[in-house]
Amino acid sequence: SQTIHQWPATLVQPVGSPLSLECTVEGTSNPNLYWYRQAAGRGLQLLFYSVGIGQISSEVPQNLSASRPQDRQFILSSKKLLLSDSGFYLCAGGRVGTEAFFGQGTRLTVV
Amino acid sequence: AQTVTQSQPEMSVQEAETVTLSCTYDTSESDYYLFWYKQPPSRQMILVIRQEAYKQQNATENRFSVNFQKAAKSFSLKISDSQLGDAAMYFCAYRSGEKTSYDKVIFGPGTSLSVIP
Repeated sequence: SQTIHQWPATLVQPVGSPLSLECTVEGTSNPNLYWYRQAAGRGLQLLFYSVGIGQISSEVPQNLSASRPQDRQFILSSKKLLLSDSGFYLCAGGRVGTEAFFGQGTRLTVV
Repeated sequence: AQTVTQSQPEMSVQEAETVTLSCTYDTSESDYYLFWYKQPPSRQMILVIRQEAYKQQNATENRFSVNFQKAAKSFSLKISDSQLGDAAMYFCAYRSGEKTSYDKVIFGPGTSLSVIP
C-alpha cells in the first residue's frame, strides 16, 4: 500500500532562518506529489504540485519553493522564513485517477 | 478552473443518528473523481470514500454513503449511526481523471462535525 512519510512532525524556527521539509513516498512509482498548507480550523491551500522529477508548479506566490530531486521525494524550502509562514503543512501524493494519500503533517511555528 | 464548495461550516448530530454533509463542485470535465476525507484532531487526513464520475451507482463504505448527482454537480456524504469517533473536519475533494500536466486535488473549505452523546 502507498505510504507518505513526512518529517519533522513539529518545528519551531526563528524569523529569517531557512526551512527544509521533506516528504518521501513508498509503495508506488511516478506519483503526483503535492504540498498543502492549512491554517487552524481552515481548509487546505495547495502550494505546489509536481507531476514528475524536476517538474514543479506553484499555485500561490510566496516565500516558499519546492523541489523534486527524485521520483519519490518532494521537498519544501525557504531561504528566509517569515512569521506568516507559520502553519500546518501537509504532503500528499497519488497516481492520476486515484485518491491522494497524506503524510502526518508538520506543524511549523515561526518565532 | 475546478472549484469545490461546502456550504455548511459546522454541523452537529446526536449519537446514533444520521447526518448529511453537503458538497457541490464545478467542472467542465467529464472524467473525474470525488472524495470525502476526514481530519480528526490529530490532523491526519483519512480517506472516507471515493466516487468515480463514470459510475452511476453511489459509493458506500460501511456507515458512510454518498449521494452523487452528476448533472447537479452535487456530492453529499451521509453518515449513519453516528459515533463519537466520527467527530472531525470533513473535506470534499475533486481530482481530474484526465491525464494532463495540471493534475491537482482540489479541496472544499471543510465541515466541522460534532457528535453529541
